[in-house]
Amino acid sequence: AQSVSQHNHHVILSEAASLELGCNYSYGGTVNLFWYVQYPGQHLQLLLKYFSGDPLVKGIKGFEAEFIKSKFSFNLRKPSVQWSDTAEYFCALSSGGGADGLTFGKGTHLIIQP
Amino acid sequence: EAGVAQSPRYKIIEKRQSVAFWCNPISGHATLYWYQQILGQGPKLLIQFQNNGVVDDSQLPKDRFSAERLKGVDSTLKIQPAKLEDSAVYLCASSLGPDSRETQYFGPGTRLLVL
Repeated sequence: AQSVSQHNHHVILSEAASLELGCNYSYGGTVNLFWYVQYPGQHLQLLLKYFSGDPLVKGIKGFEAEFIKSKFSFNLRKPSVQWSDTAEYFCALSSGGGADGLTFGKGTHLIIQP
Repeated sequence: EAGVAQSPRYKIIEKRQSVAFWCNPISGHATLYWYQQILGQGPKLLIQFQNNGVVDDSQLPKDRFSAERLKGVDSTLKIQPAKLEDSAVYLCASSLGPDSRETQYFGPGTRLLVL
């Protein structure tokens, strides 16, 4: 069975601080990896995704994530956060080459203090 | 482009009652998903449709939950009878096709409270 772990459930940062949210997964085969974000009062939307090629992927709003296969990790980063980045962040995976839905982590609630 | 539509947005029922949720996916999206998100958890896949056929319903509690997508467009998810532990947000998502690399687009969700 596949699973996703997000170790930080709540993170509080000040504006301009650097951000790194951890995501580790468990799955025996090829994976596709995603980060979704849910801003207050809005629906889930895709930040970025990885399924092959360059392990460093860039997404919207200055976010990036690095796939490290040896560590089963897909951490999300942003060099300088803004107040508007306050949101819930979810890491998710699907099996590579498959036709299945997403397996999500529990999410990280990020609060940016102005 | 219109997004995924869901209704109702909120529903309060008593245990043992029945409830139904409706989802209309993005036009042209062949694949539709229902997820359950319990407070403090990430979304959990309940069922996946490809057009009007079920691809995966392995995590759907079939003794009380049912879902259909009769014409391959909109879908309904039903709970009968509801239990307290069914209190959650029910999310509908759609994608162009079943390829697991496809981006899934989520609706606003239906927040269910079972008393």
